[in-house]
Amino acid sequence: QQQVKQSPQSLIVQKGGISIINCAYENTAFDYFPWYQQFPGKGPALLIAIRPDVSEKKEGRFTISFNKSAKQFSLHIMDSQPGDSATYFCAASNRRAGSYQLTFGKGTKLSVIP
Amino acid sequence: DAGITQSPRYKITETGRQVTLMCHQTWSHSYMFWYRQDLGHGLRLIYYSAAADITDKGEVPDGYVVSRSKTENFPLTLESATRSQTSVYFCASSRGGNTEAFFGQGTRLTVV
Repeated sequence: QQQVKQSPQSLIVQKGGISIINCAYENTAFDYFPWYQQFPGKGPALLIAIRPDVSEKKEGRFTISFNKSAKQFSLHIMDSQPGDSATYFCAASNRRAGSYQLTFGKGTKLSVIP
Repeated sequence: DAGITQSPRYKITETGRQVTLMCHQTWSHSYMFWYRQDLGHGLRLIYYSAAADITDKGEVPDGYVVSRSKTENFPLTLESATRSQTSVYFCASSRGGNTEAFFGQGTRLTVV
């Protein structure tokens, strides 16, 4: 059973456009929702994260929107740049349970074309 | 340099052989994790450890063994490698609590 569903699998966006990646989760015990960015040949790196007590978090061009009732969250990349081309993973964990393990979505390969 | 390092970066092994992937972190993080990354599956947790001598299974533990005798090391052993274990393996560490997980560069393992 996949606990975090991510879409789309791949995304092509023009430079300057908005990239939107969506995730949905099933486990209502999840209380931490990070997004990771991965470049080819590298390990994933934390991009931005949100907790369910807020509906939006913005860091520079990156924004997470969170809808607790719908059990959905999304990543918006404003003014997308070619350097943003990477694979993005949403994730979730139940930190109250104390294990801190992350459950990942399957990833979205973003290509930003000039 | 401080950080989390995995070795080797690339490994080719034969079916049935035992192989060990190494992970070392210099932050004294309590938590360490092993994930495998496969096309179409994203990252799946194999095993994790909350502290030295404490380990627990993740989503896909079958065929793998871990140990953690020291806080800084968390080796992953494939007891008898199979072709289905061909993958990219990532080690990660975290202080625990409300902190992020840091990933290594990965080990690309091919089982022939």
